[in-house]
This record gives sequence, C-alpha cells and structure tokens, in this order.
Amino acid sequence: DAKTTQPNSMESNEEEPVHLPCNHSTISGTDYIHWYRQLPSQGPEYVIHGLTSNVNNRMASLAIAEDRKSSTLILHRATLRDAAVYYCILRDGSNYQLIWGAGTKLIIKP
Amino acid sequence: DGGITQSPKYLFRKEGQNVTLSCEQNLNHDAMYWYRQDPGQGLRLIYYSQIVNDFQKGDIAEGYSVSREKKESFPLTVTSAQKNPTAFYLCASSTLAGEETQYFGPGTRLLVL
Repeated sequence: DAKTTQPNSMESNEEEPVHLPCNHSTISGTDYIHWYRQLPSQGPEYVIHGLTSNVNNRMASLAIAEDRKSSTLILHRATLRDAAVYYCILRDGSNYQLIWGAGTKLIIKP
Repeated sequence: DGGITQSPKYLFRKEGQNVTLSCEQNLNHDAMYWYRQDPGQGLRLIYYSQIVNDFQKGDIAEGYSVSREKKESFPLTVTSAQKNPTAFYLCASSTLAGEETQYFGPGTRLLVL
C-alpha cells in the first residue's frame, strides 16, 4: 500500500496562508490524493481531493506536483477554527479504501 | 438533515463482555466503514461493506464482528476476543461511484472497566 509522510506539527499565524506538505513517493497512477481534517474528539471532515491537476474549493486548494510524488494543501487565510489534525491520504484505486497516516497537527496562533 | 449518527457517545465494557456500537446513515450511501483510532494516531480500518449482506475485513478485524442487514445500518460488535478495545471508534459512509468522499459520524469512545 502506498503511504504518505507528513510533518508531525506546524504553526501558523491567524489570517495568514498555510501550506501543509505531504510526500507520497510510492503513489500509483490510479491513487487519488485526499485531505481530511479532524478536530479533537470529532470525526474527520473531508477537505479536498485530486488526481493530477490542482484543485480549488471553498475550504482550500490542493497543489499536486507534476510527478505526483508530493502535494500541498493550502489554506489561504487561516482562522482559529482551522486548528486541527490534517491528514493526507491516498485512496486505493483498486478497492476504494483510504490509507491513513498520523497527520499534521496545525496550530494557529492569534 | 442527512448524515451519520453513532451511539452511544461513550461506552463502558466489562472484562469478557461483548458490546455493540451503532452506526446509522440516511445519505443513501452504499458503502459503510468502521475505523479504530488510538490516541495520537491515524485511523485504521476494521471492516467495510460495499453492499447489503456483504462485508470485508480491514487491517485489524480480529476481535470484531459486523453485520449489514439494512443499507442504512452497520453495527460493530467488539467481542471479548479483542483484548485491547479502548479506543475511539468512527463509522463512515460513501457512495461507490467516482472518487468516494467518506462522511464520518461523531464517533464512540469505548473504555474498559
């Protein structure tokens, strides 16, 4: 199974952009890149996903490297409510399972 | 409102006891999943079901059992064979087609007395 590598934690200031990196050097051609976030004692929440092209939605942007071995989740203007653990996940294209890592704990400073 | 509900929020298990965690969804999703999360770690897949009356083991199925008699419901039983059941249990659902974003319930925290 292809795996992802993320920093354990990151800090950012409120109202500034945040770039959360993810490495997935063993990704296969059919694996989608998903991002979820989880607040303490809650279920994860979908953020964004993509395959090859960069993606934007109301929550964030996803920048995928041309070789697909890494990606970056971009929060354009972080708020205190964005403080959470962010998971970069590969969706197994053969059986639709999500392969979870330990995630990055994002700390937002006021 | 459409969504996933899990009950109870907290559950206490005595030694040697089987307990069942409830998961219900009204999103009309075909696929449902059970995950276990230990403190400071990511999610690990216990079981998943892509259709009624069918389910497959995930990475850590030993000591757990499931059933899928209705599309809306996917209960998880933690049996006495699971020697370390203390964890946060999360249920999720998704459609089968396309990229399949998973929608999660609020979770059940299981503690051993």
